[in-house]
Amino acid sequence: GAVVSQHPSWVICKSGTSVKIECRSLDFQATTMFWYRQFPKQSLMLMATSNEGSKATYEQGVEKDKFLINHASLTLSTLTVTSAHPEDSSFYICSAREEKGNNQPQHFGDGTRLSIL
Amino acid sequence: QKEVEQDPGPLSVPEGAIVSLNCTYSNSAFQYFMWYRQYSRKGPELLMYTYSSGNKEDGRFTAQVDKSSKYISLFIRDSQPSDSATYLCAMNTGGGYQKVTFGTGTKLQVIP
Repeated sequence: GAVVSQHPSWVICKSGTSVKIECRSLDFQATTMFWYRQFPKQSLMLMATSNEGSKATYEQGVEKDKFLINHASLTLSTLTVTSAHPEDSSFYICSAREEKGNNQPQHFGDGTRLSIL
Repeated sequence: QKEVEQDPGPLSVPEGAIVSLNCTYSNSAFQYFMWYRQYSRKGPELLMYTYSSGNKEDGRFTAQVDKSSKYISLFIRDSQPSDSATYLCAMNTGGGYQKVTFGTGTKLQVIP
């Protein structure tokens, strides 16, 4: 149980294009999903908390207009990197938390490797 | 000082060895503790999730929490080459807002 699917797993695109990443909870509902960024040999950096039916909560220093988050249903959140540039190249990972009771752990997708040329 | 400290390694052990991975933390409000395993180019996989001080065992894995010392450990018995990965400790304060603080991860290599 508690499977999170992330798509695509790898994207290569030209500078200036926008890229959408999907995160789905396959066998549970998730009111809250999380988006992280991970640089090589570093830990996970929380970018934003995605709340179903409301605006995302962004961490300090993360540009809201650059990283658009939509959480339209209890099983799907999307992250769109707008007008991507080479410095946006990174490993993006989503996670979701089951809603049965409080304090459930987060379950992660397999990440999306984004390469901007 | 970081809220969570974790030795990045790398840690190399022979197959069959007992592995000890550790994290220390400074925030006494942390109540929930997790260990994740992350293979290269993959997302973290939840291994252990604990709340109280003491030990929790699951197969070859044992998670240990000492809240008085602000110290958590993950033990891996009979380590296998397939255990080679980066292990991340994580923790949060609980409650409605679950922002999780991660350690930097320890890279483990189990040598056949």
